[in-house]
Amino acid sequence: ETGVTQSPTHLIKTRGQQVTLRCSSQSGHNTVSWYQQALGQGPQFIFQYYREEENGRGNFPPRFSGLQFPNYSSELNVNALELDDSALYLCASSPRLAGDQYFGPGTRLTVT
Amino acid sequence: QQQVKQSPQSLIVQKGGISIINCAYENTAFDYFPWYQQFPGKGPALLIAIRPDVSEKKEGRFTISFNKSAKQFSLHIMDSQPGDSATYFCAASIRETSGSRLTFGEGTQLTVNP
Repeated sequence: ETGVTQSPTHLIKTRGQQVTLRCSSQSGHNTVSWYQQALGQGPQFIFQYYREEENGRGNFPPRFSGLQFPNYSSELNVNALELDDSALYLCASSPRLAGDQYFGPGTRLTVT
Repeated sequence: QQQVKQSPQSLIVQKGGISIINCAYENTAFDYFPWYQQFPGKGPALLIAIRPDVSEKKEGRFTISFNKSAKQFSLHIMDSQPGDSATYFCAASIRETSGSRLTFGEGTQLTVNP
């Protein structure tokens, strides 16, 4: 059974640019959540997708947006990048809306 | 508002000793409390979880103790090993209304000396 995978592993962007991060959920999982983890801190919830619909959003501005596809994979898009967006972005999938979350290895985003 | 507070920030334990990490929460609507282990450069891995209708749950060397009245829960790692050296996060969620959305503590960096 393949776990949660994320791409790319690392990414360097310039302030003001846009970025798309990708996540493939674990087989059989229909719920995907995205988290931002700043260095030395716990992950912060960005939003969750269930069956292609956004189902809950954390305290993040609208320039953070996402998609979930029919195969339950997901994208996180961030527009107008700011220096504070530099972080590890984690994707987690669940077998159901209220199930245990299993995290991918993350994408390290650096904004210069 | 920090809804889950974790302590200590860092912990050093000798091999074979007991590691204890504590968390306190504010929102009484939380109904699910998992613990995650994270190694450098990796995503968090689910270790063990508990619901508030149970006071203790044990899986191997890992035990969660839960005190609903005090709104506190803790992770005990028995017979700590150098391979347990990692950052540990407690978390909480309101599964009934918020699905799997997790609120994390700040993390505890555990070092187990050989």
